[in-house]
Amino acid sequence: DIQMTQSPSSLSASVGDRVTITCRASQSISRYLNWYQQKPGKAPKLLIYGASSLQTGVPSRFSGSGSGTDFTLTISSLQPEDFTTYYCQQSYTTPYTFGQGTKLEIK
Amino acid sequence: QVHLVQSGADVKKPGASVNVSCTASGYSFSSYAVHWVRQAPGHSLEWMGWINPANGNTKYSQRLQDRVTITRDTSASTAYMELTSLRSEDTAVYYCASVGIGDSFHIWGQGTMVTVSS
Repeated sequence: DIQMTQSPSSLSASVGDRVTITCRASQSISRYLNWYQQKPGKAPKLLIYGASSLQTGVPSRFSGSGSGTDFTLTISSLQPEDFTTYYCQQSYTTPYTFGQGTKLEIK
Repeated sequence: QVHLVQSGADVKKPGASVNVSCTASGYSFSSYAVHWVRQAPGHSLEWMGWINPANGNTKYSQRLQDRVTITRDTSASTAYMELTSLRSEDTAVYYCASVGIGDSFHIWGQGTMVTVSS
């Protein structure tokens, strides 16, 4: 199975900050990397697919980059509703594994 | 509007089986694969398996393949996930999801809480 490792596991930041979350795959997954946002008690929501494509309706402050094994999710200017948990996922080959999550907290 | 609506929460005893349904609306159910993912309390997401609604082909997580079965009823635009021989570690929220570009999970059901307790 492909292991997905996110860092950091948690991150404290302030409204208006720029933050970056990193995801590393244990082998090359080309650009088959997706990012999800999950709020407490809710289903995950797709933010970025194919490493860098913004899902329809997602604010442009979210962006993704990377290919192969190393990927990043960047939020350019944090808004209050962004303080929640983020997961990366590879859809290169089954089992479609997820990272352990990054919890973004208000400083 | 595209929706996936899942069945309600369930409580089961160890050793029992659970069946969770996922009904699609607003799109052609047979056109897109349906995946199942679960999330134990305080944990990350675990992929369980998927079904091609057009032909019923399935693939399962090796870890669960002896206990999980995914089926579909195209006339009802519904996918089903059955998990057998339940144990306490199976306590989780179970989600279905429909795939978009690059097999990203672009539509999710609301989740079904399954509690396994004696």
